[in-house]
Amino acid sequence: KAGVTQTPRYLIKTRGQQVTLSCSPISGHRSVSWYQQTPGQGLQFLFEYFSETQRNKGNFPGRFSGRQFSNSRSEMNVSTLELGDSALYLCASSSIAGTYNEQFFGPGTRLTVL
Amino acid sequence: KQEVTQIPAALSVPEGENLVLNCSFTDSAIYNLQWFRQDPGKGLTSLLLIQSSQREQTSGRLNASLDKSSGRSTLYIAASQPGDSATYLCAPKLTENTGFQKLVFGTGTRLLVSP
Repeated sequence: KAGVTQTPRYLIKTRGQQVTLSCSPISGHRSVSWYQQTPGQGLQFLFEYFSETQRNKGNFPGRFSGRQFSNSRSEMNVSTLELGDSALYLCASSSIAGTYNEQFFGPGTRLTVL
Repeated sequence: KQEVTQIPAALSVPEGENLVLNCSFTDSAIYNLQWFRQDPGKGLTSLLLIQSSQREQTSGRLNASLDKSSGRSTLYIAASQPGDSATYLCAPKLTENTGFQKLVFGTGTRLLVSP
């Protein structure tokens, strides 16, 4: 079974631009979560989607948004990029949204904002 | 605020040693806890998942224990190998004020196993 895939793997943008990242979960998984990882803040939760609905959202500004499609694939969008948005963005999937399910992570998208 | 602390922050050992990584969390009302490893610049690989009703889980040379009442988990690595070199992350699943759950990550333990 294929794992979680994320595209693109690397991105370079300039301040003020916007960016869209994509995540394809493991086949059959319906829950997708996004995380931001930086050296200073570590891994922080962005949001979780299940059945095309946002279930939970972390403490990030409204410039960070996401959506999930009917095939469970998810996209994350960051508008008006800032230097501090440079990070590794990780996507994770689990079979259902719930308290007891294991999360599986993708390889991440490395975003650099110049 | 939910906090997850991992000790030590870094560890360097010769090959063959048994070692213990520690994780503590402030909120004892966890649902499960996952241990991950992360290689430099890569994603996270799930190593073990312990449900809140369990005391430990084993996979190969890895054994993870959970003590909810004291807010602690340990990851035991037996007979360490150079290939075990990575950052190890502990992540309990905790409940937020919204009533939803999310993984809260520790800052990790960076492990180097030398031949």
